[in-house]
Amino acid sequence: EADIYQTPRYLVIGTGKKITLECSQTMGHDKMYWYQQDPGMELHLIHYSYGVNSTEKGDLSSESTVSRIRTEHFPLTLESARPSHTSQYLCASRVSPEETQYFGPGTRLLVL
Amino acid sequence: SQQGEEDPQALSIQEGENATMNCSYKTSINNLQWYRQNSGRGLVHLILIRSNEREKHSGRLRVTLDTSKKSSSLLITASRAADTASYFCATDRGFHRLVFGAGTILRVKS
Repeated sequence: EADIYQTPRYLVIGTGKKITLECSQTMGHDKMYWYQQDPGMELHLIHYSYGVNSTEKGDLSSESTVSRIRTEHFPLTLESARPSHTSQYLCASRVSPEETQYFGPGTRLLVL
Repeated sequence: SQQGEEDPQALSIQEGENATMNCSYKTSINNLQWYRQNSGRGLVHLILIRSNEREKHSGRLRVTLDTSKKSSSLLITASRAADTASYFCATDRGFHRLVFGAGTILRVKS
């Protein structure tokens, strides 16, 4: 098991609420990633970070934002949740020069 | 799909049988990786094969890579009920980012 944690595991909220999905890793990895995955579908990269104070948008456009103030912490924020944001969000990390990514257990978000 | 296709989309076999999953991709790669995802969980790395390798083994897993056809296959031998999961290939084109396929859902019946 990788030492990468995501909270909450499940979240049901109403439209318009602001939410933050937490991701933390204790492995000292420099690179971190957020993926969005609909049930039974592929993963889409929405954000990534090469290190502290570095954040980039991924391949799939997302209304969410991220920050990387500490190496171990990479939270994702939705300022105003909508039903279209309903999905599973997976956080991952890796350490250079290794190529393997380590995944957290995911957060399942349902926006009503 | 972002990068390519995996087939079959779903596979159902009996315990003890072999399972083969295929992955095709569109662009040149540095390496190709296979991950497993149990229902509702995160992904777990299984095996990595580099672009200059043709075959790699890890326990009951065998991966092949054909860069001329831009395809890879994952073979799980002597499958077990615990192998039931979704399997994803992911290509590393550089820039420290992976692109995932749509996955194959494997069900192993005991």
